[in-house]
Amino acid sequence: KAGVTQTPRYLIKTRGQQVTLSCSPISGHRSVSWYQQTPGQGLQFLFEYFSETQRNKGNFPGRFSGRQFSNSRSEMNVSTLELGDSALYLCASSQTSGRAGETQYFGPGTRLLVL
Amino acid sequence: AQKITQTQPGMFVQEKEAVTLDCTYDTSDPSYGLFWYKQPSSGEMIFLIYQGSYDQQNATEGRYSLNFQKARKSANLVISASQLGDSAMYFCAMRETAKTSYDKVIFGPGTSLSVIP
Repeated sequence: KAGVTQTPRYLIKTRGQQVTLSCSPISGHRSVSWYQQTPGQGLQFLFEYFSETQRNKGNFPGRFSGRQFSNSRSEMNVSTLELGDSALYLCASSQTSGRAGETQYFGPGTRLLVL
Repeated sequence: AQKITQTQPGMFVQEKEAVTLDCTYDTSDPSYGLFWYKQPSSGEMIFLIYQGSYDQQNATEGRYSLNFQKARKSANLVISASQLGDSAMYFCAMRETAKTSYDKVIFGPGTSLSVIP
């Protein structure tokens, strides 16, 4: 089975621009979560989608948004980029949503640099 | 509120020796899952091991074992026979089953492990 894939792997943008990141979950997985990882803040939860519905959201401004398609693929969008948005963005998928024992499997991440 | 604490920012271990990475957590939910992930310098998070709050036995997965002490809210990762490829960041994580949490997993700050030849 193919793992979680994320595109692009690397991205350089300038302040004020917007960016869209893509995540394809493991086949059969319906839940997709997004995380932001920075040296200062560590791993922070952005949001989670299940069956095209956002089920949970972290404490991020409205510039961060996402969506999930009927094939479970997910995209996240960041508008009006700021320098502080430079980070590794990780996507994780799991089969269902809400069970304590459900393991999340992560993709390789997208490294975003905002200049 | 959930909280994961990893008190060891960095650790060194001699190759072939065992090492314990500490993790304590805080939750009021009686049902929860604890996970350990490894993140090499490439950035990908690799799932290592899982322990459920109701599991009677400590989880083991190859060279990884989890020392679960529920009363102390502790879930330490033990790596036996360390290898050079074990050098990485290690994250402890927890998921609660409360309905408002859904698939939200909280991660600790991580421990950087360096294996010395």
